[in-house]
Amino acid sequence: DTEVTQTPKHLVMGMTNKKSLKCEQHMGHRAMYWYKQKAKKPPELMFVYSYEKLSINESVPSRFSPECPNSSLLNLHLHALQPEDSALYLCASSPTFSGRFHGYEQYFGPGTRLTVT
Amino acid sequence: AQKVTQAQTEISVVEKEDVTLDCVYETRDTTYYLFWYKQPPSGELVFLIRRNSFDEQNEISGRYSWNFQKSTSSFNFTITASQVVDSAVYFCALSGIQGGSEKLVFGKGTKLTVNP
Repeated sequence: DTEVTQTPKHLVMGMTNKKSLKCEQHMGHRAMYWYKQKAKKPPELMFVYSYEKLSINESVPSRFSPECPNSSLLNLHLHALQPEDSALYLCASSPTFSGRFHGYEQYFGPGTRLTVT
Repeated sequence: AQKVTQAQTEISVVEKEDVTLDCVYETRDTTYYLFWYKQPPSGELVFLIRRNSFDEQNEISGRYSWNFQKSTSSFNFTITASQVVDSAVYFCALSGIQGGSEKLVFGKGTKLTVNP
């Protein structure tokens, strides 16, 4: 099973709302990622969790707050977003072993298409 | 710094034509990994292939083939006898280490349209 699931598929929210995106994988992967993708652009890395600890934050504004409650689940909490935050948000996972570079492929979920009004 | 260049922004072919997508990369690392991903209109990125820097053997998988040449820092992708279902955006990516974690650097992507 190489499936990464994401909910919801679509989300429309106002600038004062608080919402959360959810990502789940059951492949035993210990690295999980959040990407943001604007139309006609490549995915941009936002956050990386390794063994449930935040290891990379690509200078993402604080209105995006990631959370990794356990090894299978990754959340992205959204608050006071701007219209320019409208994008496709992709979650991915990969195996990881600390201390060695393996270059494992990442498996992506179908994404959440977010519209901020 | 690592960089991936996909010079072809868009390619349009007629079904059954062969098409090659170019990818050129830059890295100072001696160990690195290269990938190709497919993103159909539905949005999900689909992993196609992973290649490490020590393995320059070309690979063929059905109608897909990959040509890795370290001498020119290229990792090109060829689709033989293209089909309408191959229409998608294709991303080439390079893996590197940052903050103790592995990180993918993507090219800008090539949009392939296969017309019937």
